[in-house]
Amino acid sequence: DAGVTQSPTHLIKTRGQQVTLRCSPKSGHDTVSWYQQALGQGPQFIFQYYEEEERQRGNFPDRFSGHQFPNYSSELNVNALLLGDSALYLCASSTRQGFFWEQYFGPGTRLTVT
Amino acid sequence: ELKVEQNPLFLSMQEGKNYTIYCNYSTTSDRLYWYRQDPGKSLESLFVLLSNGAVKQEGRLMASLDTKARLSTLHITAAVHDLSATYFCAVGSNYGGSQGNLIFGKGTKLSVKP
Repeated sequence: DAGVTQSPTHLIKTRGQQVTLRCSPKSGHDTVSWYQQALGQGPQFIFQYYEEEERQRGNFPDRFSGHQFPNYSSELNVNALLLGDSALYLCASSTRQGFFWEQYFGPGTRLTVT
Repeated sequence: ELKVEQNPLFLSMQEGKNYTIYCNYSTTSDRLYWYRQDPGKSLESLFVLLSNGAVKQEGRLMASLDTKARLSTLHITAAVHDLSATYFCAVGSNYGGSQGNLIFGKGTKLSVKP
């Protein structure tokens, strides 16, 4: 059973460019969340998608947007890249397990903005 | 606003010694998670704690939860070098029900030396 997969693994972009990151959830999972982890910090919640809609959003600007497809996979788009957007971007998928939702994290995409 | 604080942030231990990592959180939550992260890697789920007094153990690691004190501990027994990693606690946000996002602490970087 494949776990959460993300692509690409690494990415280098220039300030002002746009980037798209992709995530395929674990089999049977219908909810995808995106997190940004800056170097030396804990992950910060960006947003969550369920039933192809953004259900929750963290404290991130509108430059960060996303999409969920009918097969539950998801994309994270970042426009007008800033140097501060350099981070590890983690995708987590989840589904209901009884009374709670356990989130499984993908390997991440390392984004470097120069 | 839900905040999660871990301490210590850095921990250097000798092999064979015991130590405890603390995780305090600011508002009520119905679930607390512990994750391990190796350098450059994603998050590996260690424990999910769902109720007051919950205790879970896996090998040399034991996690407990006191919801009244809003405190979780991760106890390390007879540390070995393989435990060297960064450990994060994360608390489930109650926004939107139990599907809510995770709020992470800053992590505890553990180094176990011979």
